[in-house]
Amino acid sequence: SQTIHQWPATLVQPVGSPLSLECTVEGTSNPNLYWYRQAAGRGLQLLFYSVGIGQISSEVPQNLSASRPQDRQFILSSKKLLLSDSGFYLCAWTGSNTGELFFGEGSRLTVL
Amino acid sequence: LAKTTQPISMDSYEGQEVNITCSHNNIATNDYITWYQQFPSQGPRFIIQGYKTKVTNEVASLFIPADRKSSTLSLPRVSLSDTAVYYCLVGRNYQLIWGAGTKLIIKP
Repeated sequence: SQTIHQWPATLVQPVGSPLSLECTVEGTSNPNLYWYRQAAGRGLQLLFYSVGIGQISSEVPQNLSASRPQDRQFILSSKKLLLSDSGFYLCAWTGSNTGELFFGEGSRLTVL
Repeated sequence: LAKTTQPISMDSYEGQEVNITCSHNNIATNDYITWYQQFPSQGPRFIIQGYKTKVTNEVASLFIPADRKSSTLSLPRVSLSDTAVYYCLVGRNYQLIWGAGTKLIIKP
């Protein structure tokens, strides 16, 4: 069966520090991969999606970047964090294009 | 992109059937309707998906009228553990617009 993991689960970082969140998928090949951010009490905001290695689409201009160095690995990064980068970050994958997404456990980032 | 409208919150009691209705007036011909459940500090979990008429799985039913401009998620005999936020989405993966969802509270 397919599984998705992301880490770290919780992160507290000072303003101006770098960020790296990692997500891996197992049990499938060539998945579509997604990074979302969720503010408290709100819905999910799509940040990046990828349909293949090295192929990244950005939905929202921001202080973040994403990379897909391997088929089942998706990384969210920042060179210098801002206070506004705080939030709950979710990685997801799908093998179809009908809206059936499978999410990781989430990473809660607090920027101080 | 199809935007959805659903109630902000709902209350019910254990053992009751709960129906959450979502409107999506500008649904496109190729769009699927998908419902997710989210518990605090967890990622959303896929519940059910449909295109038209009725779909049923082991946890829920999804009713979609012929015009597809709305859909109703039905949760049979809810328990306290069904307290969560439920999202209705229309469209394809990277085009999905996530609203605030419906916060369902189940009382004993």
